[in-house]
Amino acid sequence: GAVVSQHPSWVICKSGTSVKIECRSLDFQATTMFWYRQFPKQSLMLMATSNEGSKATYEQGVEKDKFLINHASLTLSTLTVTSAHPEDSSFYICSARDPRAGRETQYFGPGTRLLVL
Amino acid sequence: KQEVTQIPAALSVPEGENLVLNCSFTDSAIYNLQWFRQDPGKGLTSLLLIQSSQREQTSGRLNASLDKSSGRSTLYIAASQPGDSATYLCAVTSQGGSEKLVFGKGTKLTVNP
Repeated sequence: GAVVSQHPSWVICKSGTSVKIECRSLDFQATTMFWYRQFPKQSLMLMATSNEGSKATYEQGVEKDKFLINHASLTLSTLTVTSAHPEDSSFYICSARDPRAGRETQYFGPGTRLLVL
Repeated sequence: KQEVTQIPAALSVPEGENLVLNCSFTDSAIYNLQWFRQDPGKGLTSLLLIQSSQREQTSGRLNASLDKSSGRSTLYIAASQPGDSATYLCAVTSQGGSEKLVFGKGTKLTVNP
């Protein structure tokens, strides 16, 4: 199957700083990417849908000014957690839809674990 | 609002046993249902995808069934192995053109050698 990478795999930062997470589709062009957040022992929750060249669509309750999403190319989407606080500590996972596959096919990245001190 | 529930939350079995994981969803108007595997601190691997018009899908030792009208799906794992130890997630895509996946909390499976 297609490969999606994330960088970094984990990050520790101080409260108040900003953290950028990258999601890349390595062997296909992804017109749509998705960002999820997963708290311990909880479901993956969709944060936003990122479409190349347009503004991201955020889910209800997700602050768009805090979680900045940029999908500047067909192979890269970034999530920036601005002014991070300890409650933002979580596991962030991206997925990408391969337009060559069925519309329901999403390939998931390995995730990024964020710890805000 | 679609909600997905998985039971049990955790399951521990001896190697070789057959087992069943359960998933239920509140809104039967789904486009498809998927089962994923997640290893600790890792991303997701898709195991099986069942379209709403299908009743089951099989891949190797895995068999997933779907009863859309009752809002239920099961994942059957035959002859379990220690390498099957992981968290298994169920997710549905609702009808209406959205590609959004709604996930359950998962079942953490431990297969003891």
